[in-house]
Amino acid sequence: GIQVEQSPPDLILQEGANSTLRCNFSDSVNNLQWFHQNPWGQLINLFYIPSGTKQNGRLSATTVATERYSLLYISSSQTTDSGVYFCAAPGGSEKLVFGKGTKLTVNP
Amino acid sequence: EPEVTQTPSHQVTQMGQEVILRCVPISNHLYFYWYRQILGQKVEFLVSFYNNEISEKSEIFDDQFSVERPDGSNFTLKIRSTKLEDSAMYFCASSLPGLYTEAFFGQGTRLTVV
Repeated sequence: GIQVEQSPPDLILQEGANSTLRCNFSDSVNNLQWFHQNPWGQLINLFYIPSGTKQNGRLSATTVATERYSLLYISSSQTTDSGVYFCAAPGGSEKLVFGKGTKLTVNP
Repeated sequence: EPEVTQTPSHQVTQMGQEVILRCVPISNHLYFYWYRQILGQKVEFLVSFYNNEISEKSEIFDDQFSVERPDGSNFTLKIRSTKLEDSAMYFCASSLPGLYTEAFFGQGTRLTVV
C-alpha cells in the first residue's frame, strides 16, 4: 500500500517565523489532505489539495502529484498554530493513509 | 458550515465493558469511516461503511468491533469487550460518494479503558 512520510518530525519556531512542512508519498495520488491536530486532539481539515496550490489566510499548500510530494507553508506563525500537522492520501480505496505527522511548537 | 459531530467527547470505561461511540455525519454524505489514534501515534483506518454495509476494514477491526447506522443520521462504533489497548482517540469521518473526495472528520472521542 501507499507510504506517506512527513518531515521534519518536530519543528520549534519563534512567533512570527515562517515554516515549510513536507509530505512525500510513494504512489501517485488523486487526493491529498492536510490536517491540524490541536492540543485538545481535534483534527481540523486544512486543505484538500490533489494538485496545484491553495491558500487560506496565513496557510498555503502545494501538491506536485507527478513528483509525489506536498508542502504546507505557514507564514507569520502564531502560538495557536502549535500542534501536530498530518497529511493523508488515499490507500487504494476510499480510506486515507496518514503520515506520522510534524509536531509544531510556536513559542511566544 | 456542515460538520461531523461525535459524542461523547471523552469516555472512561472499565475493562471488559461494552462501549458505543456515536457520530452524526454530514447529512448528504454517503461514505462513513472510523479511524483510531493511540496516544502519540498516527491516525489509523479502522472501517469504512457505504450503502448500509462495511466496504472495507483493517486488521485492527476484529470481531470485538462492529458498526451500525441505526437510523438516517447516526453512525455508531461498538466495542464489545474493551481492553486496555483500546484506549485511544476515535475519529468518525464522512465523505461524498466517489473515490478521492474530501473526508471530513469529527472532533473525536477520547476513550480511556481502566
